[in-house]
Parts: sequence; structure tokens; C-alpha cells
Amino acid sequence: DTGVSQDPRHKITKRGQNVTFRCDPISEHNRLYWYRQTLGQGPEFLTYFQNEAQLEKSRLLSDRFSAERPKGSFSTLEIQRTEQGDSAMYLCASSFNTGELFFGEGSRLTVL
Amino acid sequence: DQQVKQNSPSLSVQEGRISILNCDYTNSMFDYFLWYKKYPAEGPTFLISISSIKDKNEDGRFTVFLNKSAKHLSLHIVPSQPGDSAVYFCAASGNGNKLVFGAGTILRVKS
Repeated sequence: DTGVSQDPRHKITKRGQNVTFRCDPISEHNRLYWYRQTLGQGPEFLTYFQNEAQLEKSRLLSDRFSAERPKGSFSTLEIQRTEQGDSAMYLCASSFNTGELFFGEGSRLTVL
Repeated sequence: DQQVKQNSPSLSVQEGRISILNCDYTNSMFDYFLWYKKYPAEGPTFLISISSIKDKNEDGRFTVFLNKSAKHLSLHIVPSQPGDSAVYFCAASGNGNKLVFGAGTILRVKS
């Protein structure tokens, strides 16, 4: 399977804990995006990378959120001191330059 | 500030008939528009796109129409099939930047 893969698919955590999600993009894609989706809403942009450079971060991304793409390949999204409002589906997508985005299946976060 | 709006939360259509999903946008800098389809427990999958230099793009049963003056686009599916039942998201970008998504429309195709 050469699509975008995300891990874990589902994470349940207690409020205040840290969580990390990993995304492996399609190998020849240079752009990697993180989106968040809550029930009844469309995907909401969080941040994106071109190769290893983080080019844009949403104002929605509080300082508890950090994303990295250290070697321009896989990426991690860490949420520190989770809150119940962080419960959502975290979607990763990749693209080659400005072409269409290919999404992974998402990582669902539940904060108790 | 919702730059991409899908005002119909849901649509129900009989199998074999046409499904028309609508989308409005407010940002005049948007120059590339896409439709994605999403099944439960899966990520969105790309369906069809159109650039602002065109007003129509067709791919099999799917056609996207763009009316720049009205800042409106629509997706036509004909004939509709039960397997088309999913959530459809409209998305837009400008100058090759990030995609901005609408809230989605749930399409149900009844057999």
C-alpha cells in the first residue's frame, strides 16, 4: 500500500496527558499537511510542511500543539496537556507541490 | 470566518437521478476548487477539481461547474448510484496554498 498512513488509528487518553500522532506520506510527495475534523464539520487546516520546512501554522494551533517533519519524510503531531476540546479526528495529507491532497485514514483522539 | 460554505447539510436522491451539490465561496483569491468524498471511518478521497480558468470539468458521471461571478460551484452526479452515498466536501485554494474546506453535504442515494 503506497498511500498515506497514520498511526495510531485511535487514541484514548486522559485529560492532561501528551499524545503523539505519526504520518507517513506518499513517498514522492514533498508537501505534508495536518488537518483536524470534528463531527459535522469539514477538515480544518492546522499546519503544513514543504519538505522539512514548516511553512504555515493556523492560528487555531495553540502552543500545546507541535508538528515536525525532521527529514522531509514522515511527520509527527504532538499535543501536550490534552484537553477535552482536543477530541477530534486528526487527518494527515500529502501532495506533490500544489496538486490535490491525498489523505490518510486519520487518527481519532478521544480525551476523557 | 467561513470562506467556503455548503449550505445544504444533506441531500436525498433516488438511484438513477441527478445529484446536485452546491458550494459558495467568499475569497476572490481562490483559483482552484476541488470536491472530496468521504465514507465513515475513512479519510477524504479526491473526486474532481477545476481551475478558475475553466467553467466546467467532467469526469465520467461527475461534472463540476464553476461560476466565478457568483462565487459558486456545483457538483453534478448523473446517474446517481447507491455507492455514491457519502459526505461530499467542497474545497478551495488560492496561489497554491492550503485547501479550505466546507462543512460537507451528506448525500443519500436511495435504491
